[in-house]
Amino acid sequence: EVQLVESGGGLVQPGGSLRLSCAASGFSFSNYWMQWVRQVPGKGLEWVSRINGDGSHTAYADSVKGRFIVSRDNAKNTLYLQMSSLTPEDTAIYYCARDYGAAGVYWGQGDLVTVSS
Amino acid sequence: QSALTQPASVSGSPGQSITISCTGTSSDVGGYNYVSWYQQHPGKAPKVLIYEVTNRPSGVSNRFSGSKSGNTASLTISGLQAEDEADYYCSSYTSRTTVVFGGGTKLTVL
Repeated sequence: EVQLVESGGGLVQPGGSLRLSCAASGFSFSNYWMQWVRQVPGKGLEWVSRINGDGSHTAYADSVKGRFIVSRDNAKNTLYLQMSSLTPEDTAIYYCARDYGAAGVYWGQGDLVTVSS
Repeated sequence: QSALTQPASVSGSPGQSITISCTGTSSDVGGYNYVSWYQQHPGKAPKVLIYEVTNRPSGVSNRFSGSKSGNTASLTISGLQAEDEADYYCSSYTSRTTVVFGGGTKLTVL
């Protein structure tokens, strides 16, 4: 069974940094693109970032480019999102998803990041 | 990257069919067969219904179907059921190698 479990979220001050993790199990992690999607509670989905199986190709939304870095450790079956220079507009639930054809086919339960002083 | 355009809301009665549109440009929806549709119930993670325009993952009801014409993709739900009441989102791969979502459509089952 495919499982994705996000962790690392919480309260952070504006200008601060946070690293999210997504632990994957139930599939051959290194064979799949992965992506991060976020959602402000009560609002729509916003795509954040995408990374290929060996980590050599990444893409970012304009809203996070230069501030967020996606990476992965295939030995640990874990996806990461390093977030820096955070602003209140980054407050959202962050989901990781296994990617197929640029679609999120399996999703984690989400992790809330709150940027506030 | 501008969000794809979806109607804010649609409604239908049980048993009816409804269609949700998703309009983009030739740089996203019209340029690639990488359009996906998601269903999201309150407090839950999104669930994929359709990927690559028309493909339905195993376990998804065949009442859900996808199509595309030009720069507009569509999700059709036939035989509407009360449990279909949810938010629906489309997404597409883009020429910038990014992904863009639609603004979402709230489906109300009357």
